[in-house]
Amino acid sequence: DTGVSQDPRHKITKRGQNVTFRCDPISEHNRLYWYRQTLGQGPEFLTYFQNEAQLEKSRLLSDRFSAERPKGSFSTLEIQRTEQGDSAMYLCASSPLVIGKNIQYFGAGTRLSVL
Amino acid sequence: KNQVEQSPQSLIILEGKNCTLQCNYTVSPFSNLRWYKQDTGRGPVSLTIMTFSENTKSNGRYTATLDADTKQSSLHITASQLSDSASYICVVIGRYSTLTFGKGTMLLVSP
Repeated sequence: DTGVSQDPRHKITKRGQNVTFRCDPISEHNRLYWYRQTLGQGPEFLTYFQNEAQLEKSRLLSDRFSAERPKGSFSTLEIQRTEQGDSAMYLCASSPLVIGKNIQYFGAGTRLSVL
Repeated sequence: KNQVEQSPQSLIILEGKNCTLQCNYTVSPFSNLRWYKQDTGRGPVSLTIMTFSENTKSNGRYTATLDADTKQSSLHITASQLSDSASYICVVIGRYSTLTFGKGTMLLVSP
């Protein structure tokens, strides 16, 4: 499978704990995006990388959230001191760096439940 | 604020019937507009992508229209099938290729 893969698929944690999610984009895709989706809502943009550089962060990305893409390949999203409001599906997407061809391919997501 | 509004919120149709989903947006600057299909528990999958100059684009039984002047788009599904049951999300692409998503229209195709 050469699509975008996310791990884990599901994560249950207690409030106050830290969690980390991983995203492996399609190889050679320069751009990587993180989104959050709550039930009944469309995905909301969190942050965006071009190679290893984090170029944009949404105001939704509070200080408890941090994302990295150290080698320009896989990315991690960490949430510290989780709150119940963090419960959501976290989606990762990648796209190639081709002008006018910004098709984003999504992973299946990581569903986080904070108890 | 960049927004994408979709209607209806949900829709039930009989198998074989046609339907049309609506999308209004205020995203600026605008790069292109895309319709995604999202099955329950899965990530979104792109159906169509339309640039500023395109008015209509088809992908099999899916036909999308775009009026960039009124900032409206529609997705028409012809001869619906049970497998069309999903959430259909309108997405507008703006600066840095970031996406603004609508909340989606939940479509249920009934036998």
